[in-house]
Amino acid sequence: QMHLVESGGGVVQPGRSLRLSCAASGFSFGSYGMHWVRQAPGKGLEWLAIISYDGSHDIYSDSVKGRFSISRDNSKNTLYLQLNSLRREDTAVYYCAKDYCDTGRCPYGMDVWGQGTTVTVSS
Amino acid sequence: DIQMTQSPSSVSASVGDRVTITCRASQGISKWLAWYQQTPGKAPRFLIYAASNLQSGVPSRFSGRGSGTDFTLTISNLQPEDFATYYCLQADTFPFTFGQGTRLDI
Repeated sequence: QMHLVESGGGVVQPGRSLRLSCAASGFSFGSYGMHWVRQAPGKGLEWLAIISYDGSHDIYSDSVKGRFSISRDNSKNTLYLQLNSLRREDTAVYYCAKDYCDTGRCPYGMDVWGQGTTVTVSS
Repeated sequence: DIQMTQSPSSVSASVGDRVTITCRASQGISKWLAWYQQTPGKAPRFLIYAASNLQSGVPSRFSGRGSGTDFTLTISNLQPEDFATYYCLQADTFPFTFGQGTRLDI
């Protein structure tokens, strides 16, 4: 059973930093690209970033480029999202998700999602 | 960025009904569209990929079609567990983008 579990959320002041983690199990983590997606309270889904299976490439949405950083440790089956210079509008549930395909460019979307971790940016 | 527009934003239906949700891309995305279902407090569930391919385990009352810029998700014979919010996702070009969602109410 493929499983993703996020952690690291919490309440943080504007301008501060936070690191989210996503622990993977039940599949060959090091073979898949991985994504982060967020959902602000009462709002829709927003795609944030992707990292390649080996961590050599990453791509970000404009809304977080330069402030957030995606990384992974395949030896620990763990995905990370470093959130810097946090703003109130970054308040959201953050989900990690697995790319559908295990080879290269995958235009199918994300098939397995974690339960999410909540980040609240407030003074 | 590619903009994804879903319609309607919300729709009311009854058990047994058939509902169609539309997703339109601001530019052509071939068939690289996925559909997700989300219930309150839960993570999204992957329903359909490449516009019309049903993910394993998803009931056959869900179907998708389309290519280019216009796509549809149809749910036949609505069941109580189908009342949720549905999102489309374009996976053709980075950054990936979601539609704004369609809430399906009883």
